[in-house]
Amino acid sequence: QKEVEQNSGPLSVPEGAIASLNCTYSDRGSQSFFWYRQYSGKSPELIMFIYSNGDKEDGRFTAQLNKASQYVSLLIRDSQPSDSATYLCAVTGTGRRALTFGSGTRLQVQP
Amino acid sequence: DVKVTQSSRYLVKRTGEKVFLECVQDMDHENMFWYRQDPGLGLRLIYFSYDVKMKEKGDIPEGYSVSREKKERFSLILESASTNQTSMYLCASSLTGVYGYTFGSGTRLTVV
Repeated sequence: QKEVEQNSGPLSVPEGAIASLNCTYSDRGSQSFFWYRQYSGKSPELIMFIYSNGDKEDGRFTAQLNKASQYVSLLIRDSQPSDSATYLCAVTGTGRRALTFGSGTRLQVQP
Repeated sequence: DVKVTQSSRYLVKRTGEKVFLECVQDMDHENMFWYRQDPGLGLRLIYFSYDVKMKEKGDIPEGYSVSREKKERFSLILESASTNQTSMYLCASSLTGVYGYTFGSGTRLTVV
């Protein structure tokens, strides 16, 4: 079992819709969770982080964390074609100083 | 904004060569990391450093070594390049503690 799992996609949504990206993790000791966006040929950029159960909103983005279910998600409201990218979930781990990344979900927003 | 600079965007090296990948950050970050990214495998941690001259192995350290002589600079060394080390190499830095990373622009290395 991978430590951080994401559906590879592609997830295709029409412009203006809500895109929902999901991530599960195996380490119950994980405390911090990050979402990165990576455009093709570019390096990842941090867009959201969340530490506590519940929702955290930043503009069109909402991160949701459920530690009991070991599940973190990213919602993108009013999706735009410019949101088309790969979204990487990353988590901290017990006794580990570095982040563990999922393989990413490719999002396609159709105009 | 923190800037993380990787010295080369593209590199082509021959099998058996010793390869140096350089990374410099400008915000006095304690932690620096080297990952490689391959299709379907995501980002895999090679090595990281939490202080000058301090380093820890990541998940795939075989065939690699690192050097951190100054706080701002973290070098990845491929001792004897092999074709299976063809990959995108990403350097990142972060403050001490639990913070998200800032990535460099990446070095796409091809070993022929």
